[in-house]
Amino acid sequence: DIQLTQSPSFLSASVGDRVTITCRASQGISSYLAWYQQNPGKAPTLLIYAAVTLQSGVPSRFSGSGSGTEFTLTISSLQPEDFATYYCQQLNTYPYTFGQGTKLEIK
Amino acid sequence: QVQLQESGPGLVKPSETLSLTCTVSGGSIRSSYWTWTRQPPGKGLEWIGYIHHSGSTNYNPSLKSRLTISVDTSKNQFSLKLSSVTAADTAVYYCAREVAGIYRYFDLWGRGTLVTVSS
Repeated sequence: DIQLTQSPSFLSASVGDRVTITCRASQGISSYLAWYQQNPGKAPTLLIYAAVTLQSGVPSRFSGSGSGTEFTLTISSLQPEDFATYYCQQLNTYPYTFGQGTKLEIK
Repeated sequence: QVQLQESGPGLVKPSETLSLTCTVSGGSIRSSYWTWTRQPPGKGLEWIGYIHHSGSTNYNPSLKSRLTISVDTSKNQFSLKLSSVTAADTAVYYCAREVAGIYRYFDLWGRGTLVTVSS
């Protein structure tokens, strides 16, 4: 199975900050990577697919980059509703796998 | 607007079979791939498997020996059966739609249903 390692696992930041979350794959996955946001008690919601493509309706402060084995999710200016847990997912090889998650907390 | 809703028992006894159904409303199940993912309490996400409306499936090898995913196009539903469950199968189970073009992704999720395995 392809392992995805997210860093950091926990991130404390303030409203207005720029934050970056990294996702590293144990082998190359081209651009077959998606990012999801999950709020407590809720289902994940899609933010970005194909590593860099913003899902319709997602604010432009979210952006993704990378290919191969290293990917990043950047939030350019944190808003109160962005404090949540973020997961990356690889869809290059079965079984699909997720990163362990990054919990973004208010400082 | 397409919506997904999971349904099924919230409590299953050890060694028994966990059965869940996902109902697709506002659209046709004949349009996509349909997936199951689970999340143990306080933990991360695990992909379980998918089914295409044609009936083709792909399962996570870690669950394959106990897993069956099926589809009923007449009811616009797909289902999951996981046999011989243990406490390790306690999780919130989500159904989702998988978009499968050049790139694949899960663009629509159900709200999830908690299944507890306990006697």
